Amino acid sequence: GAGVSQTPSNKVTEKGKYVELRCDPISGHTALYWYRQSLGQGPEFLIYFQGTGAADDSGLPNDRFFAVRPEGSVSTLKIQRTERGDSAMYLCASSLTSGNNEQFFGPGTRLTVL
Amino acid sequence: AQTVTQSQPEMSVQEAETVTLSCTYDTSESDYYLFWYKQPPSRQMILVIRQEAYKQQNATENRFSVNFQKAAKSFSLKISDSQLGDAAMYFCATTNFGNEKLTFGTGTRLTIIP
Repeated sequence: GAGVSQTPSNKVTEKGKYVELRCDPISGHTALYWYRQSLGQGPEFLIYFQGTGAADDSGLPNDRFFAVRPEGSVSTLKIQRTERGDSAMYLCASSLTSGNNEQFFGPGTRLTVL
Repeated sequence: AQTVTQSQPEMSVQEAETVTLSCTYDTSESDYYLFWYKQPPSRQMILVIRQEAYKQQNATENRFSVNFQKAAKSFSLKISDSQLGDAAMYFCATTNFGNEKLTFGTGTRLTIIP
C-alpha cells in the first residue's frame, strides 16, 4: 500500500515569503506528526495531531509556524515570513493510533530559504 | 525533558562482521519506549527495532538486537552479519508512555566496507 507522501520534495523560497508543506498520511492512520531535521542533526518534534486536533504543538518554534489537519487526513505545515534559519528537511510521520505505535515517515520536504 | 546521546558520529564495519552502535538517554519517566531508526541516503526513515522499558528481555529483529541497560540508561544496537544495504544513518530515539513525540539523538553514520 501507499506510504506517507510529502509534497513538494524540494522547495526553494526567498526570505520573507510564505510556504506551505503538505503531508498525506497512510490511509486510516489517525495520528500525524511533523518533525524538522537540520543538517547533521536528528529530527526535532514540531507538532502532533490526533484526528483533526493538534494534541501537542509544543515543538513549534514560534508563531510563524502553524499546521492544520482539517479533515483528519492531509496536513499542511505553514510557515510565514520565512527566515534563512528555517532551512531544513521537514519530515511528516503517521501512525495507526496514538499510544506509541510505530511512526511511519515520509520522504520529507527539503526547504531552502535564500 | 528527555535527551538522547549518540557519541559515535561515524562507524564502519566490514561486510559480514558485527557492529555495535551506542546510545545513552536521560528521562525522568518510569514508563517509556526506545527505538532505533534507520535513514538510508535520500530515502525515508524506517523503524529498525523498539524496546519497551518495562520489559527486561532485549528486543531482537533478525540480524538486529539491542542491549538495554535500564539502570545505566544505555540502549545499544548490534547489527550481525552486516550487509551493504545496512549502510545508513542510524538514530536512537525515545518517547514516554502516553506521550507521542519522539526525541532523537544526533545519529551515527554507518558505512559497510565490501
